[in-house]
Amino acid sequence: EAGVAQSPRYKIIEKRQSVAFWCNPISGHATLYWYQQILGQGPKLLIQFQNNGVVDDSQLPKDRFSAERLKGVDSTLKIQPAKLEDSAVYLCASSLGLAGLETQYFGPGTRLLVL
Amino acid sequence: AQSVTQLDSHVSVSEGTPVLLRCNYSSSYSPSLFWYVQHPNKGLQLLLKYTSAATLVKGINGFEAEFKKSETSFHLTKPSAHMSDAAEYFCVVSDPGYGGSQGNLIFGKGTKLSVKP
Repeated sequence: EAGVAQSPRYKIIEKRQSVAFWCNPISGHATLYWYQQILGQGPKLLIQFQNNGVVDDSQLPKDRFSAERLKGVDSTLKIQPAKLEDSAVYLCASSLGLAGLETQYFGPGTRLLVL
Repeated sequence: AQSVTQLDSHVSVSEGTPVLLRCNYSSSYSPSLFWYVQHPNKGLQLLLKYTSAATLVKGINGFEAEFKKSETSFHLTKPSAHMSDAAEYFCVVSDPGYGGSQGNLIFGKGTKLSVKP
């Protein structure tokens, strides 16, 4: 079974530029999550989708971050404009159902460095 | 609000000796608890999960954890460490159906495990 795929694996940009990350979840998984993991900390949920609808985006900085999952399968996360503090690993995860009941499977992450 | 506290940021053991990674949780509801492992440059992998069944949970690679409600703890143990166990370990809590969170995962800050030959 193929795992969660993410691209790119690494990205270096300058502050105020824009960047986009892509995630393809495990086939059949209805729920998709984006996490931000800052160095030395545990991942923090940014946004959760159930199929193509947003379940929770309470911790997404909406003035600069946006995410979509238009067809209920793959998803993109965008940052525009980027700030230095956005340097982190962005993790995508998917599960069959809701997080509390189903195991989340994580992709390898995209490591972002903002200069 | 739910939270987890991992009591040690770094644990160092010798190969073949026991491993103990400590975690305390705070939750308003009966929680689901997890341990995830993250090897360098690899994705997070689920080690084990507790969802109100048996309080002693066995996971992959010889790890196990015991849910103790009276102590609000969910410590991770392994009888004998192997070099390949060196990684970062995250204790995670989820409260299914709490408010609008729909069972979001709340991660601890992580414990880095080093294994000496």
